Amino acid sequence: DAKTTQPTSMDCAEGRAANLPCNHSTISGNEYVYWYRQIHSQGPQYIIHGLKNNETNEMASLIITEDRKSSTLILPHATLRDTAVYYCIVRVYFGNEKLTFGTGTRLTIIP
Amino acid sequence: EAGVAQSPRYKIIEKRQSVAFWCNPISGHATLYWYQQILGQGPKLLIQFQNNGVVDDSQLPKDRFSAERLKGVDSTLKIQPAKLEDSAVYLCASSALLGTDTQYFGPGTRLTVL
Repeated sequence: DAKTTQPTSMDCAEGRAANLPCNHSTISGNEYVYWYRQIHSQGPQYIIHGLKNNETNEMASLIITEDRKSSTLILPHATLRDTAVYYCIVRVYFGNEKLTFGTGTRLTIIP
Repeated sequence: EAGVAQSPRYKIIEKRQSVAFWCNPISGHATLYWYQQILGQGPKLLIQFQNNGVVDDSQLPKDRFSAERLKGVDSTLKIQPAKLEDSAVYLCASSALLGTDTQYFGPGTRLTVL
């Protein structure tokens, strides 16, 4: 069973903020939200993860709602190189639970 | 720091033939993963090693797929005999620690079975 729901595709204008939503209404208290992306012909690349507080790193920001049932990945100033498939994954932080990839959101940055 | 290396990048074989893929993880990473990615789908874990021991191979089709990591460093994944439905990208990933740590992926090997 899929733990997350993402839109199939999105477009964003170059230079604008790209906001990628993810629903995870059945998330458990000990599960984190992870984001990976996969640029064409490359392996997936880790972006960010969080539990309940908003997180920011050099690549993106992660906003998790207070009830933790959904989250948004924000790429603040999208470039053409951000065109990729973005995967939202929930998994337990401790332990050996595997990364379970869905079909993700195909983000296209438009010049 | 060098990333995860995989070879070959592309392979075309006929059904019922055998094929092997090689992966060299990031230096010092104890955990190694093999994923299969069919076109249009997300990667699916086939097998996970911790050093040279298997942690999870529950989704590995063991009648035709095998994998080893003899010295706890590089790894090979073999398919024998290949079927048409094995056409996919085979991705190798590594992480420093079991479970919690970020996984770093290689570029993958694209296999086409004719």
